[in-house]
Amino acid sequence: GAGVSQSPSNKVTEKGKDVELRCDPISGHTALYWYRQRLGQGLEFLIYFQGNSAPDKSGLPSDRFSAERTGESVSTLTIQRTQQEDSAVYLCASSLRATLLGNEQFFGPGTRLTVL
Amino acid sequence: SQQGEEDPQALSIQEGENATMNCSYKTSINNLQWYRQNSGRGLVHLILIRSNEREKHSGRLRVTLDTSKKSSSLLITASRAADTASYFCATDRGSGNTPLVFGKGTRLSVIA
Repeated sequence: GAGVSQSPSNKVTEKGKDVELRCDPISGHTALYWYRQRLGQGLEFLIYFQGNSAPDKSGLPSDRFSAERTGESVSTLTIQRTQQEDSAVYLCASSLRATLLGNEQFFGPGTRLTVL
Repeated sequence: SQQGEEDPQALSIQEGENATMNCSYKTSINNLQWYRQNSGRGLVHLILIRSNEREKHSGRLRVTLDTSKKSSSLLITASRAADTASYFCATDRGSGNTPLVFGKGTRLSVIA
């Protein structure tokens, strides 16, 4: 597609429920990232996929958070037993194959999650 | 942890004035990027400056990098109301295509 897409754009859920957030990266981008942004804050790194390598999960805040990626395409971020502090905008980004020169990351519009 | 810290947190200027935002970081980097965010949603890449560069221009944007002070600045010249947004600096972790570490951002308001 033309850009990174995410769905849903907004999600309201009750505390304790599970949610799944989806990200479709730009075709051909091997790297995919999930970030979380709380209101008025910067972005917090959650997890990073690069090709067929094991994902970097070092940013996941708890074992309630997990993510999967199918090959070099769609990724889903799952939050189990949601808590009110999980309320945030969840942003997905993708970029081209890794180089030491660095790569621009292309961001999706985000999913705004509200946990009541 | 957040490596980049922007300063000021908020900036309000008149249309036509220049806006300067600063960013400091803590560890060695390969490159530093600036992003813009409208309305708290997706970010848009503005410019990337490598650690061996000192200054870079793109249209009305000018970015400087001082690796000895671990700081960068973003200058927007002749600001427009449409420049109103949050601006974030982001650094890599020194090994290529790694997750970016973002600061908390500067909220710029350009008043027409």
